[in-house]
Amino acid sequence: EDQVTQSPEALRLQEGESSSLNCSYTVSGLRGLFWYRQDPGKGPEFLFTLYSAGEEKEKERLKATLTKKESFLHITAPKPEDSATYLCAVRKGSTLGRLYFGRGTQLTVWP
Amino acid sequence: GAGVSQSPRYKVAKRGQDVALRCDPISGHVSLFWYQQALGQGPEFLTYFQNEAQLDKSGLPSDRFFAERPEGSVSTLKIQRTQQEDSAVYLCASSLAEGGEKLFFGSGTQLSVL
Repeated sequence: EDQVTQSPEALRLQEGESSSLNCSYTVSGLRGLFWYRQDPGKGPEFLFTLYSAGEEKEKERLKATLTKKESFLHITAPKPEDSATYLCAVRKGSTLGRLYFGRGTQLTVWP
Repeated sequence: GAGVSQSPRYKVAKRGQDVALRCDPISGHVSLFWYQQALGQGPEFLTYFQNEAQLDKSGLPSDRFFAERPEGSVSTLKIQRTQQEDSAVYLCASSLAEGGEKLFFGSGTQLSVL
């Protein structure tokens, strides 16, 4: 059965304390792995798409990497404004744009 | 508009009532998706439109759920005879390209069924 599992469920960091979020997946025919950020009361906001193992993408303090079984979202020197829920999603080759989301990691960065 | 607009923002319904949720996608976006998000969960796919054609409705949980996009722009998600388990946030997303490589989400409609 296809699955997307994110860990940890919740993460508390002090400002400046770098860490990583994990997304492991078991899907057949991966056609892209996506990272979104979701703030309370808002819809998810697109961050990155990764397509092949070894690919990396960066945006400000965030860096996403992909292997054949998992993806990491590295957060370097986080700030309180990075607090949000980070969602991972995958697309399979057999579906028409449908995304399969994990449950997310709720990140809190305190000053 | 600048983004995906959904209305109403909040909807309270008595069990058994019918509800209609509206989505205004970004102008010119070909793809439109509906997702359902329960508290503490990730979004779950409901249905996908490419222009006015509903190409995938495999995520609709029952025949009480119906979606349409008659002119290829605005979409409506209708839920008939609402049940308590329908309580969730309903998210709409649109994308410029077919298949939706980069989705833009609205803020959702929070539905509470009493």
